[in-house]
Amino acid sequence: EVQLVESGGGLVQPGGSLRLSCAASGFTFSSYAMHWVRQAPGKGLEYVSAISSNGGSTYYANSVKGRFTISRDNSKNTLYLQMGSLRAEDMAVYYCARVRNGLLHPNDYWGQGTLVTVSS
Amino acid sequence: DIQMTQSPSSLSASVGDRVTITCQASQDISNYLNWYQQKPGKAPKLLIYDASNLETGVPSRFSGSGSGTDFTFTISSLQPEDIATYYCQQYDNLPVTFGQGTKVEIK
Repeated sequence: EVQLVESGGGLVQPGGSLRLSCAASGFTFSSYAMHWVRQAPGKGLEYVSAISSNGGSTYYANSVKGRFTISRDNSKNTLYLQMGSLRAEDMAVYYCARVRNGLLHPNDYWGQGTLVTVSS
Repeated sequence: DIQMTQSPSSLSASVGDRVTITCQASQDISNYLNWYQQKPGKAPKLLIYDASNLETGVPSRFSGSGSGTDFTFTISSLQPEDIATYYCQQYDNLPVTFGQGTKVEIK
């Protein structure tokens, strides 16, 4: 059974940093690209970042470019999102999602999400 | 970025009704369009991919159609368990972008 479990969310002050993790199981993690998608409270879904299966290619939404870094450790079956210079508008539930085939394909499995709260 | 305009933003229908949601892309995205269902407090779930293909295990009352810039999502007979917010998503180009969502309620 495919499972994606996010962790690392919590309360952080504006300007602070946080690292999210997404532990994958039930599939060959190293064969799949991954996305981070977020959802602000009461709002819709917003793409954050993407990474290819081998980690060689990464992409970012303009809203997080230069502040967030996506990475992965295929030996640990884990995806990461390092978030810095956090702003109030970054407050959201962050989901990791598997990409079915390649970097641009449907997100066929999602984690349960981890909440990031940015507040002083 | 490709803009996805989804409508309506919410709707209320009776059990058994046919429900239709539309999604319009700001440029031609061929059939690179997915539909997701999100129930409160839960992660999105893929229902339809490539505009019209039903994901494995998804009930056949859900369907999708369209290509280019105009797409339609249909629930042929609304069930109580279909109460959720539905999103379209284009994946023709990065960044993938989502519609604003349609909240479906029971009348």
